[in-house]
Amino acid sequence: AQSVTQLDSQVPVFEEAPVELRCNYSSSVSVYLFWYVQYPNQGLQLLLKYLSGSTLVKGINGFEAEFNKSQTSFHLRKPSVHISDTAEYFCAVRTSGTYKYIFGTGTRLKVLA
Amino acid sequence: EPEVTQTPSHQVTQMGQEVILRCVPISNHLYFYWYRQILGQKVEFLVSFYNNEISEKSEIFDDQFSVERPDGSNFTLKIRSTKLEDSAMYFCASSRGQGVQPQHFGDGTRLSIL
Repeated sequence: AQSVTQLDSQVPVFEEAPVELRCNYSSSVSVYLFWYVQYPNQGLQLLLKYLSGSTLVKGINGFEAEFNKSQTSFHLRKPSVHISDTAEYFCAVRTSGTYKYIFGTGTRLKVLA
Repeated sequence: EPEVTQTPSHQVTQMGQEVILRCVPISNHLYFYWYRQILGQKVEFLVSFYNNEISEKSEIFDDQFSVERPDGSNFTLKIRSTKLEDSAMYFCASSRGQGVQPQHFGDGTRLSIL
């Protein structure tokens, strides 16, 4: 069965510092990978996606993620965070042949002034 | 940019009552989904819907739940005989296709069962 693990439930980081939010998945078949962001009292907004091709994908708001098949990881990174990046970030996986997304438990990013 | 809209934003219902959560997917999308997020837990898939029928459902989506596309724009989730454990945030999503097209989510309906 497929699963997604986000090891860090909370990540505090100072403004303008770099950040990496970790995501690992398990699947025996090919996958599509996504990162979503949820601001307070809002829905899930797509940050970026990996479908195929280049393993480094760039998304909105300066975020990027790298797909590593051998490590089954899809970590999210940003070189310099802003206060406005404070939100919850969810990693999600969809395997070919299914409709559903499987989400991780989320990582709460708190950017400190 | 087109959005998925959900109403109401917050629904309070007595245990045992029926509730209908409403969603308006993005207009040119063909695939529709419901997910739920119990407070403090992960987002869980409930059901997907395409061509006026359920295409996939999870074990959570039992006979208590049903979905419908009553007209060309709305997509509804009905929960019969609500239980306390149905309290959660319910997200509707839609996608243009089923393959590489990402799902776009609404802001959710917070359902509180008393």
